[in-house]
Parts: sequence; structure tokens; C-alpha cells
Amino acid sequence: GAVVSQHPSWVICKSGTSVKIECRSLDFQATTMFWYRQFPKQSLMLMATSNEGSKATYEQGVEKDKFLINHASLTLSTLTVTSAHPEDSSFYICSAREHSGGITDTQYFGPGTRLTVL
Amino acid sequence: SQQGEEDPQALSIQEGENATMNCSYKTSINNLQWYRQNSGRGLVHLILIRSNEREKHSGRLRVTLDTSKKSSSLLITASRAADTASYFCATGSGRALIFGKGTTLSVSS
Repeated sequence: GAVVSQHPSWVICKSGTSVKIECRSLDFQATTMFWYRQFPKQSLMLMATSNEGSKATYEQGVEKDKFLINHASLTLSTLTVTSAHPEDSSFYICSAREHSGGITDTQYFGPGTRLTVL
Repeated sequence: SQQGEEDPQALSIQEGENATMNCSYKTSINNLQWYRQNSGRGLVHLILIRSNEREKHSGRLRVTLDTSKKSSSLLITASRAADTASYFCATGSGRALIFGKGTTLSVSS
């Protein structure tokens, strides 16, 4: 099956620094990638949708200037948490989709990145 | 954004018993999917049911979908300690999958 990787798998940073998380589709071209955030004991919340070569679409309440998303190629999307603060500590999960829409909407999920901001 | 609710939020059972989790959603969908997540880990895709299907089986899993009631259920039969995890439903409608709040299942031996 299709594989999506994330790097790093975990990161600890100081408050005020920026952190970049990479999401790669390893054996397919992802026209669309999604970024989710999951706080402890909660569900996944969609943050944004990115299509290769165009600007990301952010969900309501997600600051686009704080969470920079770049989908520069069909196999790579990056999420940069700028000026991170302790409240940004969370589990960030990306997913990738090969085709748009369709009745199965198959999204392949990465293993997640745990961000801890001190 | 979240599509709906899972019920119950937490479920504790003994090994060998069946576990049933329910999911309700609000908008029209193309499909509904169930995922499992062990504590602090990534998602494991369990099963997908299309909007024109009513029931689907996979091993010890049985999923039903009632689009008129906008609800789905996941049944795990003959549960095992290894089934201990959080279970999420997610609805697909051509855009991003939207996840429910999840059910935390604890299976004790």
C-alpha cells in the first residue's frame, strides 16, 4: 500500500523558535495533502488542505501566519510552526491523497510528529 | 472541524466480549471509515464503507451504515487485550476526512 512518512517523529524546541515538519508520499504522487492536529485524549482536527502548487486552505480558527504550509512538489508538503509556544505542543499528523475526491477518498496517513514546546 | 460524535466516549469490557461503538455525523457523505489509534501512535485504517453500502465485514469487525439516520456502528467481536485503543470514525465527502471524537476501548484479560 501507499506509504506516507513524516520527519521528524518527535521534536522538542524552545518557546519562540520555529519548527518544520516534513510529510512525504513515498510511492505515489499526492495531489492533495492534509494537516491535522491532535491534542492529548482528543480527536484529530483538520488544520489545512494543501494542493500542489497552490496556497493552502486553512480551517476556521487556524492562523495561516503561524502555521505555514508549503506543498512545493507532488511528494512533499511541509508544515512550519512559527514562533512556537507551549500551547502549540501537540501531535501533528499529515495525510496524502493521490486523486481528487471519488467515492473512497483514500487518504494515506503519516505516523505523526510529536511537538513539545518548552 | 469535526463531523460528529462517537458513542460511548469510553468502553471497558472483558476479553472475549463484543464491543460496539456508534458514530453519528451531520452532512452527506461518500463514505465512512473507521480507524484505530494506540496511545501516542499513528492511525491504523480498519475498514471503509461506501454510502451505498449498509454493512461490511472484515475479520472480527462488522460495520453498519444507516445514511437515513446519519449513523454508523463498529462491532468488534471476541475482543482481545490487543484491541485496547481509541477508535475513530471519519467521514469522506470528496474533501478532507473529518474525524469524530472517538471511543476509548479498554479490554481487560
